[in-house]
Amino acid sequence: RKEVEQDPGPFNVPEGATVAFNCTYSNSASQSFFWYRQDCRKEPKLLMSVYSSGNEDGRFTAQLNRASQYISLLIRDSKLSDSATYLCGGGYQKVTFGTGTKLQVIP
Amino acid sequence: NAGVTQTPKFQVLKTGQSMTLQCAQDMNHNSMYWYRQDPGMGLRLIYYSASEGTTDKGEVPNGYNVSRLNKREFSLRLESAAPSQTSVYFCASSLLAGRNSGNTIYFGEGSWLTVV
Repeated sequence: RKEVEQDPGPFNVPEGATVAFNCTYSNSASQSFFWYRQDCRKEPKLLMSVYSSGNEDGRFTAQLNRASQYISLLIRDSKLSDSATYLCGGGYQKVTFGTGTKLQVIP
Repeated sequence: NAGVTQTPKFQVLKTGQSMTLQCAQDMNHNSMYWYRQDPGMGLRLIYYSASEGTTDKGEVPNGYNVSRLNKREFSLRLESAAPSQTSVYFCASSLLAGRNSGNTIYFGEGSWLTVV
C-alpha cells in the first residue's frame, strides 16, 4: 500500500468549473506536503506547498488536515491550460507521491 | 539555471546489461532522490539520500543500487537490467533545511529507459 493515495481520475470538467482533488497519507510523521503539476512527458513542477493553515494562490487553494491525514487541492474557474496530471506528495526525508490525478478541462 | 541535470535522457538496454544513471544538482541541496514513473503507478521512490554520506531504500529498491558520490551527485545503477525496469526515471533534490522549511523538491527532466 502506498504511503500517499489519490484518486487517479480522470476528471473531465468544463471550463469555468471548480474541481477538488484529495489525497490521504498514512505516515503521521510526515512534515512536508505538496501538490505538483505534471504535463505529458515532462518533469513534475511544484504547484503549491501545503500548510496546516491552508494556503491560496490565485485560483488554487490547498488544505492540510492532520487529524484526518488528508490534503486537498481546489481549482476554481478551471482553464483549458489547467489540463495536466496533479500529484500529491508528502514526507520529510523520505518523500513519496500518489499515483497522480489526471485533469482534462473541456471547452 | 541548470538545477537538476540527469544523463542520459534516452537509453535502450538489453536484458542483463548494466548501466548507471547520473544525476547532479547545483543548488547546494542536502537531499537527493531517485524515482521511477510508470503508467498508472505515479512516482515511486527507489532510493533517497537525506544528506551526503547517507542513502536509504524507498518504495521499490530491488534491482537498483545508488551512490551519493558527493553533495552534488547521486547516481543510480542497474546491475542486470530487466524488462520490468523499463520506465521513466526522475532524479530530484531538495534543500531539506529543517522540518518546516526548504523542503520543496526539484526534479530533473527525466531519463527514458527501455530494456528489451
